[in-house]
Amino acid sequence: QLQLQESGPGLVKPSETLSLTCTVSGGSTSSRSFYWGWIRQPPGKGLEWIGGIFDSESTYYSPSLKSRVTIFVDTSKNQFSLKLTSVTAADTAVYYCARRHYGADYFDYWGQGTLVTVSS
Amino acid sequence: QSALTQTASVSGSPGQSITISCTGTSSDVGSYYLVSWYQQHPGKAPKLIIYEVSKRPSGVPDRFSGSKSGNTAALTISGLQAEDEADYHCCSYAGSGILVFGGGTKLTVL
Repeated sequence: QLQLQESGPGLVKPSETLSLTCTVSGGSTSSRSFYWGWIRQPPGKGLEWIGGIFDSESTYYSPSLKSRVTIFVDTSKNQFSLKLTSVTAADTAVYYCARRHYGADYFDYWGQGTLVTVSS
Repeated sequence: QSALTQTASVSGSPGQSITISCTGTSSDVGSYYLVSWYQQHPGKAPKLIIYEVSKRPSGVPDRFSGSKSGNTAALTISGLQAEDEADYHCCSYAGSGILVFGGGTKLTVL
C-alpha cells in the first residue's frame, strides 16, 4: 500500500522560504507512470493545485505560483520536495503531497497534510 | 487559470439524490474528459471518488456517479447517507500539465 508523509516546519516567517518534503513508501518516485505533486488548502477554503514533477525532471507549476515555486525529486531517498519563496500570510494553508496518474490526471494517494502558518 | 465554479453548499435528506455542479471553461472542463472528484471529511485528506468524468475507483459505492456536458461537470449522489456529509471538490486538467480545482461544495445531510 502506497503511503505519503509530509514533513517540514509548521511556522515560517513572512518573506522567507517554505520548504516541505514528502516521503513515499510502498512505491517509487522514479516510476514513469505518475507525477508527484503538491496541493494546498487555506483554512476554510478549497483546494489549490501548486504543481508537480514527472520522470524526476519535468516540472509543471500553477501559473499563479510559478515565479515562487520549485519542486524536485530525490529518488535515492524516495522523496520529493516543495520550495515556495517570499511567503506571505496568504500562503498559510494545509499542504498535501499526492500521487497523480500520468495521462489520467487524478490524485489517488494523498498524504495526511501538514499545516504551515506564515507569521512573524 | 481561474478556479472552477462550484455551488458553496447543498443539502439533502437521507435516501434522496443530490447533484453538485462544477463549471469551467472551454480551456479545461470543456476540452478534456479529465475531471475528477474528491470527498473530504473535516480534518482529513481528500479521497478520490470519481476520475475521468465518470469512472469510480475500486471501493467507491455506485451511489456516486459523474457526468459532463459542455463546460460543466456534475457529481450525483443517490440514496444519500449520513456518512456522505462532507466537502466535495472537482478538478480538471487544463492543458500543458496544469490542473485546476473548484472552490468546493459543502454537503449537509439533513
